[in-house]
Amino acid sequence: QKEVEQDPGPLSVPEGAIVSLNCTYSNSAFQYFMWYRQYSRKGPELLMYTYSSGNKEDGRFTAQVDKSSKYISLFIRDSQPSDSATYLCAMSAWNNNDMRFGAGTRLTVKP
Amino acid sequence: GAVVSQHPSWVICKSGTSVKIECRSLDFQATTMFWYRQFPKQSLMLMATSNEGSKATYEQGVEKDKFLINHASLTLSTLTVTSAHPEDSSFYICSAGPGQGSNQPQHFGDGTRLSIL
Repeated sequence: QKEVEQDPGPLSVPEGAIVSLNCTYSNSAFQYFMWYRQYSRKGPELLMYTYSSGNKEDGRFTAQVDKSSKYISLFIRDSQPSDSATYLCAMSAWNNNDMRFGAGTRLTVKP
Repeated sequence: GAVVSQHPSWVICKSGTSVKIECRSLDFQATTMFWYRQFPKQSLMLMATSNEGSKATYEQGVEKDKFLINHASLTLSTLTVTSAHPEDSSFYICSAGPGQGSNQPQHFGDGTRLSIL
């Protein structure tokens, strides 16, 4: 079993839809959780960064962490074609030397 | 704006040549930087951890003599692919986070697409 599981998709939604992206993990020591967005042929861009359990909102993006279920989510409201990218979840237990990445979910938002 | 700069963004070269990729942290000092390799439609694969002033730590299966890493200053790490061959063609990405062992997340460069003919 991988430490971090993420459905690679692909996921295709119409413009304006609410998108839900998820990751599960097995290591209960993880306490820092990140979501990165990666456009084709570009490096990953940090979208959201959360510590421990709870929700964090930034514009159209909401990150949720449920440590009891070892489950994290990223919600995108009012999705736009410009949101089409690969979304990577990442997490670490203690510091940025020890990050673990999901496989990435490819999202396409159709106009 | 970008906090980690990577150069070049794309390089094409002949088999047998060596290629150097630079990674710079722009807004902070980075005691540690990370080098990843990414194949099409796959996730990031950590190759090595670059430590300022000391030897890099390589992941299992990564040839340290093939992928030379130098981290001579707190803002610059370089990856040199020596005697490159077509199988080394890939997308190489660096990342850095502020502070050694910091709980702040890594920021990534824009990657270098390496094509070996």
